[in-house]
Amino acid sequence: EVQLVESGGGLVQPGGSLRLSCAASGFTFRSRWMHWVRQAPGKGLVWVSRITEDGDITSYADSVKGRFTISRDNAKNTLFLQMNSLRAEDTAVYYCVEWGLGWGQGTLVTVST
Amino acid sequence: QSVLTQPPSASGTPGQRVTISCSGSNSNIGANNVNWFQQVPGAAPKLLIHSSNQRPSGVPDRFSGSRSGTSASLAISGLQSEDEADYYCAAWDDTLRGLVFGGGTQLTVL
Repeated sequence: EVQLVESGGGLVQPGGSLRLSCAASGFTFRSRWMHWVRQAPGKGLVWVSRITEDGDITSYADSVKGRFTISRDNAKNTLFLQMNSLRAEDTAVYYCVEWGLGWGQGTLVTVST
Repeated sequence: QSVLTQPPSASGTPGQRVTISCSGSNSNIGANNVNWFQQVPGAAPKLLIHSSNQRPSGVPDRFSGSRSGTSASLAISGLQSEDEADYYCAAWDDTLRGLVFGGGTQLTVL
């Protein structure tokens, strides 16, 4: 069974940083692209970032480019999202996604004073 | 403003067939497969259809997907009360080099 378990969310002040993690199991993690997708309260789904199987190629939504960094540790079956210079508009539930297999349960990031 | 266009709402009575459309462009649906996701309030999205028309194991065959040109659609037959949820389409966009989503369709079972 595919399992994606996010962690690392929480309350952070504007300008602060957080690092999200996603522990993957039930599939061959090292062979799959991975994505982060977010959902602001009461809003739709928005793609944030993706990383290729070996981590060589990454891409980002314009809204987070230069502030967020996606990475992975294939030895530990773990995906990461380093989020810096956080803004109020980054407040959302962040989901770890394998495009053709499934989604995690999400972790809430709240950026506020 | 979402890159993919879905109707904001749809409805049907139990047992009916409902179709939800998803319109895109040559760089996304026109070039790549579409996935559909179901999200009930307070829960994470669930993969409903992948590769435009493939159902993951465990998804009832009442759900079906299709893709033609720059559009895709999700059909739900034999509508049930538990189908009441938000439905999203998504595809890879070759120009944006990222996933693009529809704005979501809220399905109400009357």
